[in-house]
Amino acid sequence: EVQLVQSGAEVKKPGESLKISCKGSGYSFTNYWIGWVRQMPGKGLEWMGIIYPGDSDTRYSPSFQGQVTISADRSINTAYLQWSSLKASDTAMYYCARALTSRDSFDPWGQGTLVTVSS
Amino acid sequence: QSALTQPASVSGSPGQSITISCTGTSSDVGYSNYVSWYQQHPGKAPKLMIYDVSERPSGVSYRFSGSKSGNTASLTISGLQTEDEADYYCSSYTSSSTFLFGGGTKLTVL
Repeated sequence: EVQLVQSGAEVKKPGESLKISCKGSGYSFTNYWIGWVRQMPGKGLEWMGIIYPGDSDTRYSPSFQGQVTISADRSINTAYLQWSSLKASDTAMYYCARALTSRDSFDPWGQGTLVTVSS
Repeated sequence: QSALTQPASVSGSPGQSITISCTGTSSDVGYSNYVSWYQQHPGKAPKLMIYDVSERPSGVSYRFSGSKSGNTASLTISGLQTEDEADYYCSSYTSSSTFLFGGGTKLTVL
C-alpha cells in the first residue's frame, strides 16, 4: 500500500526554526515527486512547491519562494519542509502528497502536520 | 498568481446532480489538461477524485465526472449521497510550471 506518513504536530515560538517530514512507503520513492500544500485555519489549499527525490529537482510557488526550503533524503525515503524563522502567519496544516510527474495530480496525501506558531 | 475561482457553496438533495465550476485563465485551466479535483471532509486530508480533466482514479465512484471548456473546468456529481457532503477543490498546472488551487466549494447535501 502506498503511504505517506508525516511527522507530528508542532508548537513553536515566532523566530524559531522547524523541519517537518514526510516518509513514503510502498513505492519507489525516487521515481515520484513529493509536493507540499498549506491549509491555513478555515481556509483553502495552497500549493507551496514540489521536489523530485531522484535528483532533488525542486520548484517553488512564487508565494513561498525564499520563505521555506523543500528537501529530500532518498536514503530514508523522506521529504522535508523547513523554516528558518517562523512567523505567527505560518500557523497552518501542512500536507505532503505524491505526484507521478511535476505536472500531475497529487495522490495519495499524507495525514497532515499541524504547525502552531504562538508566543 | 490568484486562486482559481469556485463558487463558495453549492447544495442539492439526495439523488440530484450538482455541478461545481472552476474558472481560471489561458495560463492555467485553459493552458493544460492537468486539471484535478479533490474532496476534503472536515478534519481529513484531501482525496483525489478526478485527474487530467476527466479521469477517475481507481476506487472513485462513477457518479463523479469532470469536464473542461476553455478556461473553465467542471465537476459533476450525480445521484448525490449524504457522504458526498464535503469541500471540493480544483487544481490546475500552469504555464509557469506551478500549480494553482481553487478557493474551494462547500457542498451541502440537504
